[in-house]
Order: sequence, then structure tokens, then C-alpha cells
Amino acid sequence: AQSVAQPEDQVNVAEGNPLTVKCTYSVSGNPYLFWYVQYPNRGLQFLLKYITGDNLVKGSYGFEAEFNKSQTSFHLKKPSALVSDSALYFCAVRDGGTGGFKTIFGAGTRLFVKA
Amino acid sequence: NAGVTQTPKFRILKIGQSMTLQCTQDMNHNYMYWYRQDPGMGLKLIYYSVGAGITDKGEVPNGYNVSRSTTEDFPLRLELAAPSQTSVYFCASSESTGANSPLHFGNGTRLTVT
Repeated sequence: AQSVAQPEDQVNVAEGNPLTVKCTYSVSGNPYLFWYVQYPNRGLQFLLKYITGDNLVKGSYGFEAEFNKSQTSFHLKKPSALVSDSALYFCAVRDGGTGGFKTIFGAGTRLFVKA
Repeated sequence: NAGVTQTPKFRILKIGQSMTLQCTQDMNHNYMYWYRQDPGMGLKLIYYSVGAGITDKGEVPNGYNVSRSTTEDFPLRLELAAPSQTSVYFCASSESTGANSPLHFGNGTRLTVT
């Protein structure tokens, strides 16, 4: 069965500092991994995805994520945080090996960037 | 460029009442989904549809029903509202059957059952 874990309920970082939001996953086949961001009173917005290829993927708003197969992780990163990055971030996984389209979400991590 | 549109934005129901949450998309996506979001729990899949006339249960389908008569519309029906259905409901769509297609979300419906 697919599962996603986001071990931190909240991440606090100062503006201008690098940020990392952690995610680990479990799937039986090949993982298709996604990050989404949710701003207050809005739906989730797609940030980036890993399907295959380079382990470092780049996405919207300067975010990137690093896929690590041995550690089954897909951590979200940004070199320099902005106050406007404060939001709720969700990691998600699909089992590409089964051709599945069901997306399983983590519980979410709230990012707070302090000016 | 509407994307996925959900109505209403907010609703308060009494126990036992029924209602339909509306969802429509203008991207000609075959796949559509209903999720509920509860604090600290992430999103749970209620129902999904792979095309007009085809629907299937997700992780938490009890107490809900769906229909898909057109590609654009995917309404979610609550027949006998219960306090446990207090949640934020999101409709989403995706472009194809490929597992690499991201989801496009509406802005949600906040439902309170009292």
C-alpha cells in the first residue's frame, strides 16, 4: 500500500535562510512524487514532481526537491526563504509501477517564514 | 481560465439534511476526484471518476454518493449529514490516465454539520 509521511507538523525559518520540508514515502512500484502548496482558503497548487531522471527537480517559485531512492525520501528545499512562502505544504505519491492515478497525501507541514 | 470551480464555498447543515456539492472543470480532463481535508490528516480520497458514466470509491466513501453524467461535472451528494462529515471538501481533476499528471484543485467547500 502507498503511504506518505511528513514528520514535521511545522517548520520555522528566518527570511533569507534555506528551508527544507521533509517527506518520506512507501510504494510497491516506482514512485511518482509530488509537492503541493496550500494558501489560506484556497485549494492545493502543484509545485513540482519527480517521475524519472535527475534526482534534483526544480519547480515553481524557486522550490526544488531531491529524490533519494535509498532513503525513500523526497525533501522540498529552497535556498532562500521568503515571508510569502509561509503556507501549508503537502507531499504526495502515486504508484507508477501499477499505472495508478490515485494520489496519496501526507498530513501536511506548515511552513512559517519570519521576517 | 476558470479551471476547477466548486460551489458553494460555505454551508451549514443540520444533522440528517442532505445537500449536493457542485464541481465543474473546463479543462476537458477525464479524471476527477473528491477529497476531504481534516486538520492534521491531509487529504482523503472519497470518490473518483475516470470519465463520464464511470465512478469508483476511494478511501472514505461511506455517507457520500457521486455521479458523472458529463466530462465537465462531478457533483458529490451527502444524503444524511452527520457531524463526522464536517470538513473541507476539495474537487480536483487531472489531465490523463498517466500517473505523472498533477492534480488541479478547486478552492474548496467548507461544510459544517451541527
